[in-house]
Amino acid sequence: DQQVKQNSPSLSVQEGRISILNCDYTNSMFDYFLWYKKYPAEGPTFLISISSIKDKNEDGRFTVFLNKSAKHLSLHIVPSQPGDSAVYFCAASARQGAQKLVFGQGTRLTINP
Amino acid sequence: NAGVTQTPKFQVLKTGQSMTLQCAQDMNHNSMYWYRQDPGMGLRLIYYSASEGTTDKGEVPNGYNVSRLNKREFSLRLESAAPSQTSVYFCASSEFRADQPQHFGDGTRLSIL
Repeated sequence: DQQVKQNSPSLSVQEGRISILNCDYTNSMFDYFLWYKKYPAEGPTFLISISSIKDKNEDGRFTVFLNKSAKHLSLHIVPSQPGDSAVYFCAASARQGAQKLVFGQGTRLTINP
Repeated sequence: NAGVTQTPKFQVLKTGQSMTLQCAQDMNHNSMYWYRQDPGMGLRLIYYSASEGTTDKGEVPNGYNVSRLNKREFSLRLESAAPSQTSVYFCASSEFRADQPQHFGDGTRLSIL
C-alpha cells in the first residue's frame, strides 16, 4: 500500500526550462509535505516544504504547489540548472509531534545543457 | 558543522552476524530516526526516537533494535543479519515539531552475503 507515489521514475529537461515533478498521496491525514533532493552517495537534503493550510510555497527557483482535493503536490524548478540533476523525493507526514515521514519512490531529474 | 554523522560508511557482513550502526547529531535535536532505502523505493522508517528515553517502531522494524544512548546518539542494531537487510541505511534528526524538516546523514551501505 503505497501512500505516497511518484509515478515518473525519471525526467529529462533542457537547461533554462521549467522542471515539474509530481507526487500523489492517498492518506487524507497527511498535513505536512516536503521535497528532498539526493545526490549519489549522499543523504537526502531538505529542499522545500508546505503545510496543508497553504496551496503554494516559494523559495527562490523552487515552488511547491498543493492540491488537497486531488491529493496531489508538485515541485516546480525554474529556471532549471545542471546542478539540479539529482533524485527528488516527496515525503508526507501527519501532525504527531515526531514526524513519521512516508516517502515516494523518487524521480531522477536530468538537466541537459 | 558536521550535522548528522553515521559510521561506518560501508560494511559487508555474513548471514547471521550482528552489527551496530552508529549515528550522532550535533544540532541539539530532540528527535532521531532510522530509515532504509532499497533500489526503486523511497526511504522507509525503521525506528524513531521522539525524544531522549523513548523509541518507537516505524514501518519496517522487524529484525532491528535501537538504542537512544543520549540526546546526541541513536544506534541501530542487527542481531542476526539476513540478506534481505542488504540496503542503504540513513539516520536523521529533527526538532520535536511536526513542521520542521529532518536532516539526514550520508548513509551506511550494508551488504549481507
